[in-house]
Amino acid sequence: AQSVTQLGSHVSVSEGALVLLRCNYSSSVPPYLFWYVQYPNQGLQLLLKYTTGATLVKGINGFEAEFKKSETSFHLTKPSAHMSDAAEYFCAVSWFDGNQFYFGTGTSLTVIP
Amino acid sequence: DTGVSQDPRHKITKRGQNVTFRCDPISEHNRLYWYRQTLGQGPEFLTYFQNEAQLEKSRLLSDRFSAERPKGSFSTLEIQRTEQGDSAMYLCASSQGQGTYYGYTFGSGTRLTVV
Repeated sequence: AQSVTQLGSHVSVSEGALVLLRCNYSSSVPPYLFWYVQYPNQGLQLLLKYTTGATLVKGINGFEAEFKKSETSFHLTKPSAHMSDAAEYFCAVSWFDGNQFYFGTGTSLTVIP
Repeated sequence: DTGVSQDPRHKITKRGQNVTFRCDPISEHNRLYWYRQTLGQGPEFLTYFQNEAQLEKSRLLSDRFSAERPKGSFSTLEIQRTEQGDSAMYLCASSQGQGTYYGYTFGSGTRLTVV
């Protein structure tokens, strides 16, 4: 069963515009939620995570995400896109008793000058 | 701390040949993970080590795949009798403590092409 869904495999925004990348999960037990970024020919880098506590989490490079349990969502946002944000973004879930992440299929972000 | 290192970065092999990849985790990290990423997909879990013990294996890890972490430091992933379907990026990651809570540090991956 698909645990993580990322809507939109490709998203294009203009430089300076809002970035919104969508992630929904399916689980009866609230998971831990993560966003990773992957630049071309690179490994994945942790952007931010939600495990417990405040549902709005801030990450590196000005990104933030909000855990909404009622919507089973963890969308990633950034107020103003920069050219250097162009990359592949992966949403991932895990659980307290697990040892692996389940990744979405990724969203490729293009930033238009 | 130079991060997680993977070697080689790229490998092209003929179908039927054996290949071995190496991963050097961050030195103080006791947990090590292997994932496979095919084009257009997110990474998929293959296996996990805590120190030298291999504690979990995915069903994706067929009999042709074997992973080791002999001294609890570096790890190797071997694929025997490679098939074209093995073409993928193989990612190694490490963590100190529960990686699925704290997050992993990933290496840059080994891209395997089977021709």
